[in-house]
Amino acid sequence: QQQVKQSPQSLIVQKGGISIINCAYENTAFDYFPWYQQFPGKGPALLIAIRPDVSEKKEGRFTISFNKSAKQFSLHIMDSQPGDSATYFCAASGWNSNYQLIWGAGTKLIIKP
Amino acid sequence: GAVVSQHPSWVICKSGTSVKIECRSLDFQATTMFWYRQFPKQSLMLMATSNEGSKATYEQGVEKDKFLINHASLTLSTLTVTSAHPEDSSFYICSATGTGGHEQFFGPGTRLTVL
Repeated sequence: QQQVKQSPQSLIVQKGGISIINCAYENTAFDYFPWYQQFPGKGPALLIAIRPDVSEKKEGRFTISFNKSAKQFSLHIMDSQPGDSATYFCAASGWNSNYQLIWGAGTKLIIKP
Repeated sequence: GAVVSQHPSWVICKSGTSVKIECRSLDFQATTMFWYRQFPKQSLMLMATSNEGSKATYEQGVEKDKFLINHASLTLSTLTVTSAHPEDSSFYICSATGTGGHEQFFGPGTRLTVL
């Protein structure tokens, strides 16, 4: 019940296209859903996060869509650029995980020029 | 704001020696710090959670006598890998949260190689 399932494992998108990564959770007590971007040899960096009281949050080219009833959330990267090539992790936390982040398995995104 | 630093960024040591990794919050007070381990092409694995001034809480399967965590101040936590062995070679990452926040701010990570 604490798991966060992320898909796909890897994704190749043409430059300028839309990259979509999906995550699903089971624990309805989760109330914070961040997405992290990680480059090789670096720590993860927070990209964007959402709370369950909104269905969508947009920051620049990055959008989180959140479906509370389906217990799913996704990251959309518009106009994908080669510099977006990285590994993306979704995560979730809530009071009953002691606010520890429960991580998805990660998606390696490659943007082809 | 919300910068977390780690030192060293990489370290190579001989089997049997101990290695200390520092994690600092540079511009905020970190009430809680987390230590993670990450193997190549895998997700982050939480090792332990520490609150300033109290003992760390270790995740199941993490040897607390091998991975010593100290969170002596609101800006500094250290992870000491004692009697390191080649299987301890990994990427170690810390993160920190401020008061009342969900958001974890991550350090750049430390690459440990044990020969």
